[in-house]
Amino acid sequence: GQQLNQSPQSMFIQEGEDVSMNCTSSSIFNTWLWYKQDPGEGPVLLIALYKAGELTSNGRLTAQFGITRKDSFLNISASIPSDVGIYFCAGQLRGGSNYKLTFGKGTLLTVNP
Amino acid sequence: DVKVTQSSRYLVKRTGEKVFLECVQDMDHENMFWYRQDPGLGLRLIYFSYDVKMKEKGDIPEGYSVSREKKERFSLILESASTNQTSMYLCASSIPWGTGELFFGEGSRLTVL
Repeated sequence: GQQLNQSPQSMFIQEGEDVSMNCTSSSIFNTWLWYKQDPGEGPVLLIALYKAGELTSNGRLTAQFGITRKDSFLNISASIPSDVGIYFCAGQLRGGSNYKLTFGKGTLLTVNP
Repeated sequence: DVKVTQSSRYLVKRTGEKVFLECVQDMDHENMFWYRQDPGLGLRLIYFSYDVKMKEKGDIPEGYSVSREKKERFSLILESASTNQTSMYLCASSIPWGTGELFFGEGSRLTVL
């Protein structure tokens, strides 16, 4: 199946620092999504991107859909302790299997207060 | 409040036992999914269903089967549990041709001894 390379695998940062993580794919996607999983919970959608080049913000979060449609990044500004969790990118190629997402392996974020 | 409910948060089973993981959603979603989450491997799709009694294999279906007799319920079955099926199992649902957003349950952590 399709593969997504998500980096970094983990990050240890101080409260207040900015964070950046990204995903690359060997094939194109029509939709890129970013999810966050809090400890002991299921993932929750943070941001969805639907057009190449699109830049979308949600509070302190900013994500971009790469112009080649093969990559996306997520930035978190001024991190706070509740940002701790696992962040997953996911790509969707609309078509016959419109409902299938391919997930990255996740970025584990730890924020030191 | 929309909800995906997984019947058991924690299960401990013995090798060779038959295991049922149940998932119920109250959002009238057509699509339902079972993922497996392992450290360093991210979320991997086991099976999905786009309608009652319909199912399709995901990326890692070996050793698993599923049942969808009612729209709101999607069950994952391990016919003969093995130790390498020790993992976190996540159920999710979505609408077809939608935003790509999946709604996840809290997960079921299965340990096979």
